[in-house]
Amino acid sequence: DAGVTQSPTHLIKTRGQQVTLRCSPKSGHDTVSWYQQALGQGPQFIFQYYEEEERQRGNFPDRFSGHQFPNYSSELNVNALLLGDSALYLCASSADRDETKNIQYFGAGTRLSVL
Amino acid sequence: AQKITQTQPGMFVQEKEAVTLDCTYDTSDPSYGLFWYKQPSSGEMIFLIYQGSYDQQNATEGRYSLNFQKARKSANLVISASQLGDSAMYFCAMSFSGGYNKLIFGAGTRLAVHP
Repeated sequence: DAGVTQSPTHLIKTRGQQVTLRCSPKSGHDTVSWYQQALGQGPQFIFQYYEEEERQRGNFPDRFSGHQFPNYSSELNVNALLLGDSALYLCASSADRDETKNIQYFGAGTRLSVL
Repeated sequence: AQKITQTQPGMFVQEKEAVTLDCTYDTSDPSYGLFWYKQPSSGEMIFLIYQGSYDQQNATEGRYSLNFQKARKSANLVISASQLGDSAMYFCAMSFSGGYNKLIFGAGTRLAVHP
């Protein structure tokens, strides 16, 4: 049973460019959440996708957008990259049940460096 | 607003001994979940243990146990019989009703296990 997979593992971009990160959820999961983890900090919630719609969003600008496909996989897009966007981007999947009990399973992340 | 506080930036423990990692939380919601994750240097967040706000007993998962003190709003992780492979970052997180299992993370504690 494959867990959460993310691609690519590492990415280097320059300021102003655009980037797309990809995530395949754990088998049986229908909800995908994205988190940004800056160096030395805990992850910060970006947004969550369920039934191909953005269900909830954290305090991130509109440069951050996403998509969920019918097979539940998801993409995170970041436009007009800034140096401060350099971070580890984590994808987590869960099954939509009791909202306080759902265990989120994380992928290994994509490390984005913006030069 | 929900908040997680981890006051120990770093901890060290001797192999085979027990260690407690502290976590306090703040929420006005009566229904919430508390989670602990382990993050090795590889970056993947590994789920360790879950405690629901209405659970009467402290959660246990193998060598991990959660010391849940609801009145004090604390959810400390106890690792028994520490192993060298336990060296990692440890994050406390919470979910809350209305949050669609969005996780709020603390800043983490770096644990070093010495032989």
